[in-house]
Amino acid sequence: GAGVSQSPSNKVTEKGKDVELRCDPISGHTALYWYRQSLGQGLEFLIYFQGNSAPDKSGLPSDRFSAERTGGSVSTLTIQRTQQEDSAVYLCASSLDTNTGELFFGEGSRLTVL
Amino acid sequence: KQEVTQIPAALSVPEGENLVLNCSFTDSAIYNLQWFRQDPGKGLTSLLLIQSSQREQTSGRLNASLDKSSGRSTLYIAASQPGDSATYLCAVYSSASKIIFGSGTRLSIRP
Repeated sequence: GAGVSQSPSNKVTEKGKDVELRCDPISGHTALYWYRQSLGQGLEFLIYFQGNSAPDKSGLPSDRFSAERTGGSVSTLTIQRTQQEDSAVYLCASSLDTNTGELFFGEGSRLTVL
Repeated sequence: KQEVTQIPAALSVPEGENLVLNCSFTDSAIYNLQWFRQDPGKGLTSLLLIQSSQREQTSGRLNASLDKSSGRSTLYIAASQPGDSATYLCAVYSSASKIIFGSGTRLSIRP
């Protein structure tokens, strides 16, 4: 696609429910990142995928968070048993390769946990 | 541990002024630095990417410089316009996965 696409753009859920957030990176981009941005806060790194290598999961805040990237393209971030502190904007970014590095972001998925 | 600081946190200037936004980082072993703008409720838009071998990059009214030895980057905006109002973030690449963002400078251009 022309840009990084994320869905849903907004998600309201009840505490304890599971949610899935989707990211479709720019075609041909091998690197994919997930970040979280809480209200008035900076960007918090969550997870990084590069090609077929094992992902860097060092930023995932708890074992309720997981992500996968199928076929080296679309990625899904799953949050199980959501908590109110999970409310944030989840941003996905992709880059052509790690050497070039220029990141391109999607519009984000705003998650609200009631 | 890499730390990225952007000062000031907020800046308001009248239209037409030239201005400079600052980004400082603690570890000079970086390989890229990227500047973004973020409009309210939106994602980040890439403005300029400076690779470690470069000293500056220019795009239109924007010029970004990089001084690794002093741990600083600046974003110069010429002839500011109300449409430039946004939050500007810098991101420092310490490795492929370790991209550290500053907390941003919220810029307001007064007509």
